[in-house]
Amino acid sequence: GQQLNQSPQSMFIQEGEDVSMNCTSSSIFNTWLWYKQDPGEGPVLLIALYKAGELTSNGRLTAQFGITRKDSFLNISASIPSDVGIYFCALVRNYQLIWGAGTKLIIKP
Amino acid sequence: DVKVTQSSRYLVKRTGEKVFLECVQDMDHENMFWYRQDPGLGLRLIYFSYDVKMKEKGDIPEGYSVSREKKERFSLILESASTNQTSMYLCASSSGTLHHGYTFGSGTRLTVV
Repeated sequence: GQQLNQSPQSMFIQEGEDVSMNCTSSSIFNTWLWYKQDPGEGPVLLIALYKAGELTSNGRLTAQFGITRKDSFLNISASIPSDVGIYFCALVRNYQLIWGAGTKLIIKP
Repeated sequence: DVKVTQSSRYLVKRTGEKVFLECVQDMDHENMFWYRQDPGLGLRLIYFSYDVKMKEKGDIPEGYSVSREKKERFSLILESASTNQTSMYLCASSSGTLHHGYTFGSGTRLTVV
C-alpha cells in the first residue's frame, strides 16, 4: 500500500531556532497538505501545495512541493512557544487524505 | 467562519455503555470522517461517508458504527464501550474536490472506565 513517511517523529528545540521537517511518499501525487494540531484541538490546515516545485509561505512557515512529486518539506523560522504541537503532512488519494505519522514539536524553555 | 462542531469535548463512560459521539458541519460538505488519535499511532480512520445514508469502513471499524441521516450530521456509535476505546476522537468534513483538505472539529476525549 501507499507509504507516507514523515520525519522526524519529534523535535526538541530552543525558542528562536529554525525547524525543518519532511515527508516522502512511495508514489507520485498532485497535492501536499500541511496541518498543525495544537494540544487538545483538531488539526488545522497550514499550507496546501498543488504543483511540483511550488514554494509557499504562511508567515514564518514555508513549505515546498518537491520536483519529483514524491516529497515535501515544511520549515518554521525563528520558532516561538505557540509553535508547539504536532505537524502532519497529508496527500490526496481517491477523495481521501493519507496522513503522515506527525512531527511533535517541543520547545525547551 | 466555517465550522465542524463536536458535541462534547470530554466524556467519561462506563464499560459496556452505548456511546454516541455527534458531529455537525455547516459547510454543506459531502464528505465526513471519524478518526481516533492515540499517542504514537497518528490519525486512524474509523468510518467515513460520502453522502447521506452512505457509509464506508475505514482502517479500524471494529467496535464502531456510524449514522448519517442528514448531510450536516455524522454520528459515531460505540455499541458497547470498552477500555481500549479510550482515545481522542476527531470528526472532519470536506468538499468533494478535497482542494482544501479536511476541516476538523476540536475533538472529543473519551475515557472508558
